[in-house]
Amino acid sequence: AQKVTQAQTEISVVEKEDVTLDCVYETRDTTYYLFWYKQPPSGELVFLIRRNSFDEQNEISGRYSWNFQKSTSSFNFTITASQVVDSAVYFCALRPRNTGGFKTIFGAGTRLFVKA
Amino acid sequence: AAGVIQSPRHLIKEKRETATLKCYPIPRHDTVYWYQQGPGQDPQFLISFYEKMQSDKGSIPDRFSAQQFSDYHSELNMSSLELGDSALYFCASSSSTASGGSETQYFGPGTRLLVL
Repeated sequence: AQKVTQAQTEISVVEKEDVTLDCVYETRDTTYYLFWYKQPPSGELVFLIRRNSFDEQNEISGRYSWNFQKSTSSFNFTITASQVVDSAVYFCALRPRNTGGFKTIFGAGTRLFVKA
Repeated sequence: AAGVIQSPRHLIKEKRETATLKCYPIPRHDTVYWYQQGPGQDPQFLISFYEKMQSDKGSIPDRFSAQQFSDYHSELNMSSLELGDSALYFCASSSSTASGGSETQYFGPGTRLLVL
């Protein structure tokens, strides 16, 4: 099966707290891409990051960081010093490249509330 | 930078009517994707086109059809609309690795369809 599991449906934090959004994926493909997208209340889907299956290097971009671990099939996303503007639904997504065709498979999303 | 353009942004239709959604990909992107996102749901892949040919098909109803034109824009045609078709419809585009691209899907702002 090819699937993405985001076990946290909703997370609520207070501004300046750090928060980690979990993502576990499942695929039989040896080559695949992983993504995180942000969907703010306005509805658009904003691309945050893409990771190739052969590149396990972790990445940091400002207050955002991503931890990719193939051994546990996880691609977790951490926001440091969260801000109210971070409030959104965050989707983790998988695109298998051997057998998956052109489709991207999304997780159910994690709704993050950041309170002032 | 230019983004994916979708029109219209909002659409209200009656049951059994037809609707046409349009998508203009980022310049030089050769692949277009359509997704449907129901209320509180994750985006579900409908169909994709690569170089004007259908490249993959997901859970697209037979009442829906789509095509990609010579200028790479795409249209999603929806007939015999049902109440359950009310959703946010996203178009995304990407540039294939064959074209030197990263295959990252960039999403448009979506068309919000309401069927009454």
